[in-house]
Parts: sequence; structure tokens; C-alpha cells
Amino acid sequence: QSVLTQPPSVSAAPGQKVTISCSGSSSNIGNNYVSWYQQLPGTAPKLLIYENNKRPSGIPDRFSGSKSGTSATLGITGLQTGDEADYYCGTWDSSLSAGDVVFGGGTKLTVL
Amino acid sequence: QVQLVQSGAEVKKPGASVKVSCKASGYTFTSYYMHWVRQAPGQGLEWMGIINPSGGSTSYAQKFQGRVTMTRDTSTSTVYMELSSLRSEDTAVYYCALAARPDAFDIWGQGTMVTVSS
Repeated sequence: QSVLTQPPSVSAAPGQKVTISCSGSSSNIGNNYVSWYQQLPGTAPKLLIYENNKRPSGIPDRFSGSKSGTSATLGITGLQTGDEADYYCGTWDSSLSAGDVVFGGGTKLTVL
Repeated sequence: QVQLVQSGAEVKKPGASVKVSCKASGYTFTSYYMHWVRQAPGQGLEWMGIINPSGGSTSYAQKFQGRVTMTRDTSTSTVYMELSSLRSEDTAVYYCALAARPDAFDIWGQGTMVTVSS
């Protein structure tokens, strides 16, 4: 059972837009930055979004992030078949001993 | 360019220990913290802990306290993660991940598959 809650799967057609939610609490998302990761099949995760809504260099602006209260959202526009992957949200959680990093359970994106 | 290269796959028996290495290049090794994250087959990401390559200080997830040890060798720009008392549930891909930013994992190693089987 993951500390952060994500939908197990989402799907949309090529060219469309999709959003992936990440729900937490005041001890994690509510008081910390959220980051998002893309994991293509058989590869290591890749940073997509940091500090809630910032993109590292090289990440297209089709990917966006937002945060409100204890929830965060990843948005992907202009869907491409190459976007099919697992997506994870992550943040620090201060409810545990010295503070731990927690992740969502992951969301599998299918581009129909 | 920044790169993290991990050691190869391991097969261990229950009760044994495993030590995974992660060699960093392309940046000043002591400038950024390094995390370890694992992923069991078909499962999500699980954070194990963090090491400060500068002074060697560490912080481990509660779940792994007493079983995990993270160390570093500044002469070779390498961090290590050792997990002891292995059980079948520890079968997973283990990743090192560089935290160039305090709240994100910027660069990931390629992963090291550890299989625990009798």
C-alpha cells in the first residue's frame, strides 16, 4: 500500500490530453515539493517534473505539473505512442522518523 | 555528461548479503546526495535511503533500518548499498539516483537486478 495514491491506469488516444492524479496528506504533498517520473518499459525512471511544476531541460512542454493542497497532477498533452509508460509521483514525508521519500503506486498510461 | 553506472546482476541465497555499487562521473562527486530506490518485479518504486557523499552521513527508511548500509568511496566516486539477511521479498531491481535538486531524483543508474533464491 503506497503512501501516495495514484490511479492504476489511464488511457487516451494519440493527440489527446491526459491527467494523472497523486493524492497524499499534509505530512507529504501538503508541505513538500512533488516530482514526477516516467518509466518506459524495461528502463530506469526519468525525471519529468520537479518542484511541483518545473521541467528539467530536454523535457517537452507537453508535460506539466501542478499542486493544490494535498494533491498533485501530471498533465500530458498531444499524446504520442512513445508516451506509453508508467508514471510515478514522489515527495518527502515528514511523518516518519527523520523523513522518508514516498512514491505513488504508479499509473500505467496507454495510448490507444 | 552526468552518468551513474551500477554493478551487474546478483543471485544470492536467503540469509546472505549483497553489495551493489554505483560509480558516478561527469560532476563533482561530493556535491550532491545519492539515494537508493528499489523496484520489485511488477511493482512500484520503494525508497531505501540516502547518503551524503561529502561526509558519508546516511539516513535510511525505517523498513530497512538494521539491514541496509550505504557507504561511499570518494577516491573512486562510488557509492555502495549493502543489504543483509536477504529474503525472497528482496528480489528487485536496485537503483541509485542522484539528487542534484533537494526534492527530486535527477539522474538514475541503469539498475541492478538482485535475485534471492534458494
